[in-house]
Amino acid sequence: QKEVEQNSGPLSVPEGAIASLNCTYSDRGSQSFFWYRQYSGKSPELIMSIYSNGDKEDGRFTAQLNKASQYVSLLIRDSQPSDSATYLCAADLSGGYNKLIFGAGTRLAVHP
Amino acid sequence: GAGVSQSPSNKVTEKGKDVELRCDPISGHTALYWYRQSLGQGLEFLIYFQGNSAPDKSGLPSDRFSAERTGGSVSTLTIQRTQQEDSAVYLCASSRDRGLFFGPGTRLTVL
Repeated sequence: QKEVEQNSGPLSVPEGAIASLNCTYSDRGSQSFFWYRQYSGKSPELIMSIYSNGDKEDGRFTAQLNKASQYVSLLIRDSQPSDSATYLCAADLSGGYNKLIFGAGTRLAVHP
Repeated sequence: GAGVSQSPSNKVTEKGKDVELRCDPISGHTALYWYRQSLGQGLEFLIYFQGNSAPDKSGLPSDRFSAERTGGSVSTLTIQRTQQEDSAVYLCASSRDRGLFFGPGTRLTVL
């Protein structure tokens, strides 16, 4: 069974801090990884994608990928209360047709 | 609008009735996906379309579920003889390259 695992949280961080969200996956053949943000009652929104080992930065977000350890992470710098949401990690386990397998999500709470 | 649209946004039905859920993908996106999300659960893959063909329908839970896509655009997910365990949010997504872009979903409640 191909899986994507995340800690369900909640992860509570103070405003202005760095939030670190982690994800592991079971299939070494996975090539593409994604982070989605889902506000309560809303649909998932794509915020980051990463395909190569290392870091990828976009504004306050940094995605990190380590294929040897089968580990993906998302760092959110200068966390804001508006970042409070569930963050879903997803891996393309289909070999290229975007059949994404999602983790159960980590709930992030940023408190003032 | 430029995004994926779905209708209806909410559907309440009685057990045993059939329902149809509609998805209109982003223009130019050839790939279309259906997922569902039950209360407090993760996203569960249902079916993938490339054009009008469905090369991967491995996630459909039973033969009560079917889907079609016409003209390489609009897709309809049909659930026959609905059961209470079918209650969930049904999400449609489309893609042109990598990553999925989701619609707002249809919340299905089976009484």
